[in-house]
Amino acid sequence: AQTVTQSQPEMSVQEAETVTLSCTYDTSESDYYLFWYKQPPSRQMILVIRQEAYKQQNATENRFSVNFQKAAKSFSLKISDSQLGDAAMYFCIWGANTPLVFGKGTRLSVIA
Amino acid sequence: EAGVAQSPRYKIIEKRQSVAFWCNPISGHATLYWYQQILGQGPKLLIQFQNNGVVDDSQLPKDRFSAERLKGVDSTLKIQPAKLEDSAVYLCASSSGLVFSYEQYFGPGTRLTVT
Repeated sequence: AQTVTQSQPEMSVQEAETVTLSCTYDTSESDYYLFWYKQPPSRQMILVIRQEAYKQQNATENRFSVNFQKAAKSFSLKISDSQLGDAAMYFCIWGANTPLVFGKGTRLSVIA
Repeated sequence: EAGVAQSPRYKIIEKRQSVAFWCNPISGHATLYWYQQILGQGPKLLIQFQNNGVVDDSQLPKDRFSAERLKGVDSTLKIQPAKLEDSAVYLCASSSGLVFSYEQYFGPGTRLTVT
């Protein structure tokens, strides 16, 4: 069975600084997707970034980028120029079909 | 466009009582998901609908949970009878695509407390 591990239950970052959230996964599949979703306090969960496993190029979305290491089964999220609005629970998610496999999440605090 | 709507937002019931949650997905989204998110954990899929048909309900405790999506639009999730361990946030999500790789749009969730 697939598993997703987020080893950092909580992290904090100063506003305008850079932070990296870690995620590792275990799978025997060769073709799959990886996602980072964020869940702000009392607000809807939204997609941050998506990576197709067959693509070697790391995905980027504005201030968000990933470091995808397929051989190491690692998928970290880097947030540059952190903003107060980035404070949320971040979930790393693996998917090759339904159901998606969620990590337990990393709670990110942003300090002004 | 309007987002995924869920009601109620909060519900407190006693064990062995029944409860129902309602979800209205984004207009035109064929796929609808119900997740259970227990405090401190990531969401777990309970059931996935494609239009009004069930795609995956392998993790739905069918002895007490039921769900339907009549006419392929809004959906209801019911728990009868509720247990203490059902205390969680129940999330509804929808997507336009037929496969898992499409972005899922989540509703605000219903926080259920069973006492």
